[in-house]
Amino acid sequence: GQNIDQPTEMTATEGAIVQINCTYQTSGFNGLFWYQQHAGEAPTFLSYNVLDGLEEKGRFSSFLSRSKGYSYLLLKELQMKDSASYLCAVKDSNYQLIWGAGTKLIIKP
Amino acid sequence: NAGVTQTPKFRVLKTGQSMTLLCAQDMNHEYMYWYRQDPGMGLRLIHYSVGEGTTAKGEVPDGYNVSRLKKQNFLLGLESAAPSQTSVYFCASSYSTAGSQPQHFGDGTRLSIL
Repeated sequence: GQNIDQPTEMTATEGAIVQINCTYQTSGFNGLFWYQQHAGEAPTFLSYNVLDGLEEKGRFSSFLSRSKGYSYLLLKELQMKDSASYLCAVKDSNYQLIWGAGTKLIIKP
Repeated sequence: NAGVTQTPKFRVLKTGQSMTLLCAQDMNHEYMYWYRQDPGMGLRLIHYSVGEGTTAKGEVPDGYNVSRLKKQNFLLGLESAAPSQTSVYFCASSYSTAGSQPQHFGDGTRLSIL
């Protein structure tokens, strides 16, 4: 079967750095997406990785290791508005997205 | 820019009732999707469409039907609602499935079946 694993919940302090991990086992791999979802709102696209390595976009970076079936999202200089759920999704061999359950990130002052 | 618009935003149904959820996108996207989101679970694909006039089953299609008569609209129907269909339903669209093209989501429909 196909499986995406993420921690259920994480807590961090405003101004700090947090790393949200995602491990996957899927039938094929055609890229990995990270989305942000604030409570009661739609998921919004954050980043995409298809090759190994780090992709940096402002305060957010995403890393991929295809051989390990592993990705992480790194959030720097945390702000209160970063409190949200972060969803990891893998595009499988059929080009469909397989979604993790999401990691709820709580930012404390 | 409206993006992806879903109606209604909230609805309460009784078991056995039927209803249609509407999704409209103004980005000229070919691909459209219906997902459900339940607590503790990832988004699950119900049905999807790769273009006007086409539909296909996703991971959890039972109890739902869809239609894509116009490129900009994708309708999700529940013929006889069941309590297990209580969920938040999201519609999404994308230009293609190639490369980094992301899916764009509507704000969701919160559906309760009593």
